[in-house]
Amino acid sequence: NAGVTQTPKFRVLKTGQSMTLLCAQDMNHEYMYWYRQDPGMGLRLIHYSVGEGTTAKGEVPDGYNVSRLKKQNFLLGLESAAPSQTSVYFCASSYAGKDTQYFGPGTRLTVL
Amino acid sequence: LAKTTQPISMDSYEGQEVNITCSHNNIATNDYITWYQQFPSQGPRFIIQGYKTKVTNEVASLFIPADRKSSTLSLPRVSLSDTAVYYCLVGDIARGKLIFGQGTELSVKP
Repeated sequence: NAGVTQTPKFRVLKTGQSMTLLCAQDMNHEYMYWYRQDPGMGLRLIHYSVGEGTTAKGEVPDGYNVSRLKKQNFLLGLESAAPSQTSVYFCASSYAGKDTQYFGPGTRLTVL
Repeated sequence: LAKTTQPISMDSYEGQEVNITCSHNNIATNDYITWYQQFPSQGPRFIIQGYKTKVTNEVASLFIPADRKSSTLSLPRVSLSDTAVYYCLVGDIARGKLIFGQGTELSVKP
């Protein structure tokens, strides 16, 4: 039981490049979340999904897109990366909305 | 605008009880309060969750006053391994709001 996994662990991009971060969970959870973590700001919700085929905007959605084509996967895309998107990105999942969130190990992204 | 506020850092010694308070003045009726622990280079890990009054589990207690505008995480008899960053989370995903505090860096000394 791997829990929540994230790919890749590290990535360096140039301004304007695109990339996709993959989150996978094997706990059959309905809810999945993408957060970004910046120094002194805690975690901020980017997008979330309450089930396969659904997505919704969180607190800081601008510059990001997401897709949930399969229940176990939640993809976060950056179409044109900017230096302001340099951050650590965490994916999480939960069985229901008020349940414990299980977090992945994070992806450290640097945009030059 | 909803805001969740915590002390930036706290120091303690092994064996002491540590209380970390989170302020959330704009908490909504259906919002839950959850606390997470995070070690360097890891994702946050669930500690405890509550809605009102007091909740206790095997690792911590959570105290929530009647007006729910604050909450206090209590860690009994901390050890060196409790050195970590502690986050409070307030919100309800049903209304698309999950707000983390800035985190409290707890340092436990021998």
